[in-house]
Amino acid sequence: GAVVSQHPSRVICKSGTSVKIECRSLDFQATTMFWYRQFPKQSLMLMATSNEGSKATYEQGVEKDKFLINHASLTLSTLTVTSAHPEDSSFYICSARDTQEKVLKYNEQFFGPGTRLTVL
Amino acid sequence: AQKITQTQPGMFVQEKEAVTLDCTYDTSDPSYGLFWYKQPSSGEMIFLIYQGSYDQQNATEGRYSLNFQKARKSANLVISASQLGDSAMYFCAMRRNTGGFKTIFGAGTRLFVKA
Repeated sequence: GAVVSQHPSRVICKSGTSVKIECRSLDFQATTMFWYRQFPKQSLMLMATSNEGSKATYEQGVEKDKFLINHASLTLSTLTVTSAHPEDSSFYICSARDTQEKVLKYNEQFFGPGTRLTVL
Repeated sequence: AQKITQTQPGMFVQEKEAVTLDCTYDTSDPSYGLFWYKQPSSGEMIFLIYQGSYDQQNATEGRYSLNFQKARKSANLVISASQLGDSAMYFCAMRRNTGGFKTIFGAGTRLFVKA
């Protein structure tokens, strides 16, 4: 299957700082990428849908100014957690859709390995 | 609104036996996809199996099979011949096939395989 990478895999930062997480599709183009958040022992919650060349679509309850998403190319989306606080500590996972797939199939969405953010 | 329900927070199974993980869903969309993912302690999401809403036959992938009952809106995962390496968190998910193709996840079931 296609490969999606995330960087960094783990980050620890001080409260009040901003953290940028990158999501890259390594061997396919991704018009659409999704950002999820997962608290310990909980499910994945969709935060936003990132569309290349346009503004992200945020889910209800997700602060746009807090979680900045930029999808500047067909292979890269970034999530910036601004002025991070301890309650932002979580596991952030991205997924990417292979836009070459013209027919909806099971293997059109690929997940990154996740980024574990700890805010002190 | 779409919803995925997994009612089993944890399940135990003896090695080499089969186990069924339950999943029910709710949607008004006529076209959707159902998925099961495995998440080991490392955190990566591993795709297991897919069922399309219009598929007539139940999906199978090796030791994994999906018991799809459309009228009941259930999509249970059956793992046959359980292995110790199957111990992990399992998520049922549903993808809309329109309007952004968003995927939502159930709460998950933690499976413990006993030797």
